[in-house]
Amino acid sequence: IAGITQAPTSQILAAGRRMTLRCTQDMRHNAMYWYRQDLGLGLRLIHYSNTAGTTGKGEVPDGYSVSRANTDDFPLTLASAVPSQTSVYFCASSTGGASDTGELFFGEGSRLTVL
Amino acid sequence: QKEVEQDPGPLSVPEGAIVSLNCTYSNSAFQYFMWYRQYSRKGPELLMYTYSSGNKEDGRFTAQVDKSSKYISLFIRDSQPSDSATYLCAMSGPPSDYKLSFGAGTTVTVRA
Repeated sequence: IAGITQAPTSQILAAGRRMTLRCTQDMRHNAMYWYRQDLGLGLRLIHYSNTAGTTGKGEVPDGYSVSRANTDDFPLTLASAVPSQTSVYFCASSTGGASDTGELFFGEGSRLTVL
Repeated sequence: QKEVEQDPGPLSVPEGAIVSLNCTYSNSAFQYFMWYRQYSRKGPELLMYTYSSGNKEDGRFTAQVDKSSKYISLFIRDSQPSDSATYLCAMSGPPSDYKLSFGAGTTVTVRA
């Protein structure tokens, strides 16, 4: 059982470049999320999707965009990367809907360094 | 002020000691309380889950929730080196608003 698959696992990127972090889940979960994790700040929600075709902004959405064309995939795009976007990015999913208790299933993370 | 406060530590204990971790929160609408464990360079994984107030025990782990004080705790008994990890508390409101709010995480090292 793969769960959540993220790619790439790590990337060094020049400032100003465009970058897409990929996320795929095989659990048929309705809801998907993107978090960034920074030392001392914990996990902060960037964008989320309650179900395919819908997306919403989290706590720190600026500079990021997402799309949810189908249930399984939830890519995160940095249109023009800046050094402050250096972080570890985690994709996660949950069952979604009225029965969702908030339990998240995380991927292994994508380490992004913007120079 | 953050919605969820957690002392980042780090915390270093000898093998066999009891590890005590805690978080405080400000949002009285939180109903679901979780502890995630994150090993180095890995994604967080759910360790304990509690609904509303009370205690929950699972092997060497005990989670406590005190909603009146807006305070949650995680205790690890007979700690092992394999318990060395970052522990994150997380909480959410009713299912209609199920996005989690996380603490910053406490890094724990259990010395052999």
